[in-house]
Amino acid sequence: NAGVTQTPKFRILKIGQSMTLQCTQDMNHNYMYWYRQDPGMGLKLIYYSVGAGITDKGEVPNGYNVSRSTTEDFPLRLELAAPSQTSVYFCASNLWDLELDTQYFGPGTRLTVL
Amino acid sequence: DAKTTQPPSMDCAEGRAANLPCNHSTISGNEYVYWYRQIHSQGPQYIIHGLKNNETNEMASLIITEDRKSSTLILPHATLRDTAVYYCIVRRKTSYDKVIFGPGTSLSVIP
Repeated sequence: NAGVTQTPKFRILKIGQSMTLQCTQDMNHNYMYWYRQDPGMGLKLIYYSVGAGITDKGEVPNGYNVSRSTTEDFPLRLELAAPSQTSVYFCASNLWDLELDTQYFGPGTRLTVL
Repeated sequence: DAKTTQPPSMDCAEGRAANLPCNHSTISGNEYVYWYRQIHSQGPQYIIHGLKNNETNEMASLIITEDRKSSTLILPHATLRDTAVYYCIVRRKTSYDKVIFGPGTSLSVIP
């Protein structure tokens, strides 16, 4: 299994540009999450999904959109990039199971908005 | 969700046990304690979790107090590769729960 993969690894955007951060998992996990991590800070939850077709807001959803059309993919969309969205973005997934409940993280996407 | 408090930073000598505390005084009866760590620039990594009994795996041990208001993660023989930020999280195991990370404890293992 490749686990959780994210693309791109790095990206520089200009203010007002749009982009989609890709996240794919091959573990058949039903839960998927997007976090952002600012320098020296903990992770903040942006959006999460409990299954295909179901998404919900986390702590900091403003400026982002998500969709979950398949179990494997959970893309994060930035419509009008702002400098405040400069951060490292992590995608994660886990299988809801009372015995096995570990969350797997991708390697992250480092985004800079100038 | 119950909140957690952790010291912002700790040092530990290489080869010694690292004991990382976490307070979760408002934890509910159906909330579990989870520990993750994040090595610089990488995604967080699951370490261990428990409900009320002490737990041990190949990475660490988790000691939860009898009243469940605090816990300690123990790395028995810390190595330089254990230098990381450690996050303590409490959450329910329900189908619509979400995981919230706090600032964590930055552990430095010193040679």
